[in-house]
Amino acid sequence: RKEVEQDPGPFNVPEGATVAFNCTYSNSASQSFFWYRQDCRKEPKLLMSVYSSGNEDGRFTAQLNRASQYISLLIRDSKLSDSATYLCVVSKGAGTASKLTFGTGTRLQVTL
Amino acid sequence: NAGVTQTPKFRVLKTGQSMTLLCAQDMNHEYMYWYRQDPGMGLRLIHYSVGEGTTAKGEVPDGYNVSRLKKQNFLLGLESAAPSQTSVYFCASINLGLYEQYFGPGTRLTVT
Repeated sequence: RKEVEQDPGPFNVPEGATVAFNCTYSNSASQSFFWYRQDCRKEPKLLMSVYSSGNEDGRFTAQLNRASQYISLLIRDSKLSDSATYLCVVSKGAGTASKLTFGTGTRLQVTL
Repeated sequence: NAGVTQTPKFRVLKTGQSMTLLCAQDMNHEYMYWYRQDPGMGLRLIHYSVGEGTTAKGEVPDGYNVSRLKKQNFLLGLESAAPSQTSVYFCASINLGLYEQYFGPGTRLTVT
């Protein structure tokens, strides 16, 4: 079983739609959780971290469910510019200085 | 600041050839990492360094060597390239107490 599992997609949604991605992780000792965004043929960039209490950044909401070992990302009012691959990232330590385990990514395509 | 830079951006090698990938960061970060990214797989950690003069193995270190002679540079070497090393290689860096691993733009390597 992979340490971090994601649905590869693609998720094809119209502009303005709400879309949600889930990710499951297998190591219950994991401490830190993140969503990274990767545009085609570019490097990954941190989108947001995921806290137990849930956190929101504009149109993006991330949540963590430790009991079920999954994290989620919700994107509201999708824009064309949201088209990218979203990587679920888990760390056994605090923060991203610890070694990260990456999911394979979920591809989102937002269309007119 | 240039952030994290990688050279070269592209390279084609024949089986058995050697090469060195250079990662440079101008953010005075202590920690540096080398990852590879392959289709259908998440980024996988090859080697990492927690400071000048130190290196450690990651998840997939075989066939690679690294050196961190200067704090700002992290070199990844392939002594005898194999087709299985065809991949996109990303370098990243961070300081403890900071939040985000910063990635370089990647090196696309093809071994024929």
